[in-house]
Amino acid sequence: QVQLVESGGGVVQPGRSLRLSCAASGFTFSSYGVHWVRQAPGKGLDWVAAISYDGNNKYYGDSVKGRFTISRDNSKNTLYLQINSLRAEDTAVYYCARERREVNPVPLPNFDYWGQGTLVTVSS
Amino acid sequence: QSALTQPASVSGSPGQSITISCTGISSDVSDYRYVSWYQQHPGKAPKLIIYDVSDRPSRVSNRFSGSKAGNTASLTISGLQAEDEADYYCASYISRATLGVFGGGTKLTVL
Repeated sequence: QVQLVESGGGVVQPGRSLRLSCAASGFTFSSYGVHWVRQAPGKGLDWVAAISYDGNNKYYGDSVKGRFTISRDNSKNTLYLQINSLRAEDTAVYYCARERREVNPVPLPNFDYWGQGTLVTVSS
Repeated sequence: QSALTQPASVSGSPGQSITISCTGISSDVSDYRYVSWYQQHPGKAPKLIIYDVSDRPSRVSNRFSGSKAGNTASLTISGLQAEDEADYYCASYISRATLGVFGGGTKLTVL
């Protein structure tokens, strides 16, 4: 079955960096666009970034442009999110989510499978 | 502030029907069919219940339906059940510059 498993979260000081990972299994990872979505404690969902199935197209939300970098390694079936210059407002559960359409150069925000999330806490 | 506006809360009794609206600024919800809806129970990951405005994944109950009129998309849940109590979010494609946006979420209470 389709599985997405995030890792890499934890408590980090403001200004530091962190890399999140999302290990995919149960489907042909290289055929699907994938996204990062975050949710601050007690708040709603916030779309963060997306990458096309082949890694050629990357997209970012306005609040993270310039600080976050999305990437993927299709040989390892893994999605990444590099987060630099962490701020208190980046504190959230970070989910990876798969776009439901295959081989789509623009990974639309239609997420059919989600991971369980990894919590990032930015605090001194 | 979300670019898509949802009511903060709705409620209904078991067996009743409720509708949750999702209103967008002009160029997002109205121009595209890429609207989706998600159900989220406390402490759980969101679950896709509607995609492309009105299509439903095979594993989702047919009590859930979606529609769109102008710049407002709607989610209707018929025959409310206690297990439907959850938060519901709409999402939409915006443009290639800003790929996606979520609504602020609606808390559904089953009385």
